[in-house]
Amino acid sequence: ETGVTQTPRHLVMGMTNKKSLKCEQHLGHNAMYWYKQSAKKPLELMFVYSLEERVENNSVPSRFSPECPNSSHLFLHLHTLQPEDSALYLCASSQGRDITGELFFGEGSRLTVL
Amino acid sequence: DAKTTQPPSMDCAEGRAANLPCNHSTISGNEYVYWYRQIHSQGPQYIIHGLKNNETNEMASLIITEDRKSSTLILPHATLRDTAVYYCIVRVLIIMPGGGADGLTFGKGTHLIIQP
Repeated sequence: ETGVTQTPRHLVMGMTNKKSLKCEQHLGHNAMYWYKQSAKKPLELMFVYSLEERVENNSVPSRFSPECPNSSHLFLHLHTLQPEDSALYLCASSQGRDITGELFFGEGSRLTVL
Repeated sequence: DAKTTQPPSMDCAEGRAANLPCNHSTISGNEYVYWYRQIHSQGPQYIIHGLKNNETNEMASLIITEDRKSSTLILPHATLRDTAVYYCIVRVLIIMPGGGADGLTFGKGTHLIIQP
């Protein structure tokens, strides 16, 4: 149990569907992140939120829409995805003033786009 | 952030020490060395980090050369559960205005396989 919970763990969707991935952290952290991990590729940082404010967006297509309603919850809304968007999506969080800079990751949501 | 170079894969016998090298010859003075690992189909897990001095915790030891251009992660008594991809990351630690560290940039890492 890492303190970062992601749901669903597995998701299959068609290209015309709309779905959402959810992340919840129980660690009292201030920052949350979305990463994408495609097969045989390094993890790619997608979005960073600090106290619910988006501070980084690494040129992610608009079909991925993040939402951070509070410091404990992070969503990734998905619509009109492509098969190449199939990947493991990982959520992470980090503490407010912890100088270690450690990121705590969830187990990930495995997405398959048909 | 400085670039790192790691071997793509390594083998180690169970019970022996696993020594994972990382080259970061362009590291600058304010950049830390971090190590994470990712067991198959799980999220990455923090192992250890350091700036100049060698560090040790319950999981591993980190040895940083005096010129800081390379480092070695040591798992003192490797077990089968240590089979994973190990990532060496060099970065300046930036705390964002609202709190929390900036994001990490991962490379391809080293796939460590512990052999029974």
